[in-house]
Amino acid sequence: QVQLQESGPGLVKPSQTLSLTCSVSGGSLTSGGYHWTWIRQHPGRGLEWIGYIYYTGRTYYNPSLKSRVTMSVDTSKNQFSLKLDSVTAADTAVYYCAGSRMGWFDPWGQGTLVTVSS
Amino acid sequence: DIQMTQSPSSLSASVGDRVTITCQASQDISNRLNWYHQKPGKAPQVLIYDASYLETGVPSRFSGSGSGTEFTFTISSLQPEDLGTYYCQHYDNSPLHTFGQGTKVDIK
Repeated sequence: QVQLQESGPGLVKPSQTLSLTCSVSGGSLTSGGYHWTWIRQHPGRGLEWIGYIYYTGRTYYNPSLKSRVTMSVDTSKNQFSLKLDSVTAADTAVYYCAGSRMGWFDPWGQGTLVTVSS
Repeated sequence: DIQMTQSPSSLSASVGDRVTITCQASQDISNRLNWYHQKPGKAPQVLIYDASYLETGVPSRFSGSGSGTEFTFTISSLQPEDLGTYYCQHYDNSPLHTFGQGTKVDIK
């Protein structure tokens, strides 16, 4: 059973780059047909799809964030990553990694809170 | 872009009650609609996919229906562990994934 775990700094300064990694266990990142996904949830608010990446490196981003987002995969480490440039306080959120195969998201990581503050 | 309007934003019900949540799409989305449950402090969990299919392992008291622009999610008999927030989610071929605003369910 595939399990996901996010890691990365919990505090990022304004204008800097947010960087997170999701480690995949219980299966290979290259199998199962998953699109490896990032979703965020602003404090006390709803969910926002950031984008996803296939193991080949093909990416799909939310148009609202596309200019600041870069996703990548490292098949040797069974990990995929998110970079979000030029962050502001509005990027403070819980960031989840997840897998998607047929239009819905399952499994999910536990989430990691990233606060943007000086 | 397609907008998803979920209602109500919150509700309070007793154990054993029937609970219904609706999600309305701004245009026809066929059956591309999923439902999630998020317990406090936890990641969401998919319950219903493609409008009406119950995810494996999910209790049968949960159900979904609808197509086009109007969708309904029902808990036939509310249980204490059902508290939390429920979200609908639409997906299209762009691809673009859009979540509803959520419905917070409290137990009376």
